[in-house]
Amino acid sequence: AQSVTQPDIHITVSEGASLELRCNYSYGATPYLFWYVQSPGQGLQLLLKYFSGDTLVQGIKGFEAEFKRSQSSFNLRKPSVHWSDAAEYFCAVGADNQGGKLIFGQGTELSVKP
Amino acid sequence: GAGVSQTPSNKVTEKGKYVELRCDPISGHTALYWYRQSLGQGPEFLIYFQGTGAADDSGLPNDRFFAVRPEGSVSTLKIQRTERGDSAVYLCASSLTGPTGELFFGEGSRLTVL
Repeated sequence: AQSVTQPDIHITVSEGASLELRCNYSYGATPYLFWYVQSPGQGLQLLLKYFSGDTLVQGIKGFEAEFKRSQSSFNLRKPSVHWSDAAEYFCAVGADNQGGKLIFGQGTELSVKP
Repeated sequence: GAGVSQTPSNKVTEKGKYVELRCDPISGHTALYWYRQSLGQGPEFLIYFQGTGAADDSGLPNDRFFAVRPEGSVSTLKIQRTERGDSAVYLCASSLTGPTGELFFGEGSRLTVL
């Protein structure tokens, strides 16, 4: 069965430190991969997506993610975290043969220490 | 409006009652999605519309849940004989190009069944 795992429920980093949020997926087909961010009182916002081609993708707000097929991973990174990055982050997977369905991970809550 | 609008933002109802949740997508977006997010979980797919028709309703949990989009714009999610387990945030999203494009999410309708 298709699934998405975000192993870290909650992560705390200091402002200015680097960040890596982990995402592993289990999918039979060639996946489409997404990272969304959810801030309190706001809707989910797309950070970046991967469909094909270059496995390192750049997104908004200085985020990037790398698709590693051999590890079934799509980890999100940022070199220097800002206090405004504190939010909930969701990894999601879709595929051509899944119609409109995206499968989301359970999320990683990011806290930023001053 | 500029974004996806969902009403009501909060709904409290009693077990057994009927509930309607409304979604007004971004103008011109032909694809519309409903997701359900329980506390501490990622969004769970319910249904996807392309135009007026439901292209994928495989996520609807049972026949108490039904959604319509009669004119290809506004959508209504209908829940009959509500149960306490239906309590969640119901998210609506729209997209210009379908599941491979960016989904724009509303802020959600929080449903509480007493």
